[in-house]
Amino acid sequence: SAVISQKPSRDICQRGTSLTIQCQVDSQVTMMFWYRQQPGQSLTLIATANQGSEATYESGFVIDKFPISRPNLTFSTLTVSNMSPEDSSIYLCSVQPGEETQYFGPGTRLLVL
Amino acid sequence: GQNIDQPTEMTATEGAIVQINCTYQTSGFNGLFWYQQHAGEAPTFLSYNVLDGLEEKGRFSSFLSRSKGYSYLLLKELQMKDSASYLCAVRDRGYALNFGKGTSLLVTP
Repeated sequence: SAVISQKPSRDICQRGTSLTIQCQVDSQVTMMFWYRQQPGQSLTLIATANQGSEATYESGFVIDKFPISRPNLTFSTLTVSNMSPEDSSIYLCSVQPGEETQYFGPGTRLLVL
Repeated sequence: GQNIDQPTEMTATEGAIVQINCTYQTSGFNGLFWYQQHAGEAPTFLSYNVLDGLEEKGRFSSFLSRSKGYSYLLLKELQMKDSASYLCAVRDRGYALNFGKGTSLLVTP
């Protein structure tokens, strides 16, 4: 298994500002992902965080709004830029240490006022 | 495109057995995952199926039929703590998961 931590665990932000979320894993993993879970909804993939290259974004998500860094195999950041109330959500980091498993971090609960 | 369907809500009695179904239509298939998510918490990995058949893990079992695009999660000897959302997710061509909307299970005394 993999132990994943995220910071901050929650935040309340003003519209127009940006927040950077950190994800730390206790072991090296190749595959790392960022998901969003809006209130009462299931999880939606934002992007795959690639080490050493630009993240791969899903349809509807763009780098200018959600820049991602992946400087090494144990760490990644997701920035939510120029926030609006619609960005209020839980943001989850996820890793796939092996073919048969994928684990999620505890999530970052974001409220934008 | 991706289409993953699960019932929205289910109710079952403590000690009973419940089966949560998931059907999928995806552009590729590279494994199916089940997760449990309690309110306010992150999803917890339950099971993984990539070949047809039943995988048993304690009180929880998961079944897959690739030809039918169908899976189910079977929970035996239900406990009150099993009240949670259960998420079906399919990994298609790549490595990322596509999630269904989840099934909210309520276990009653």
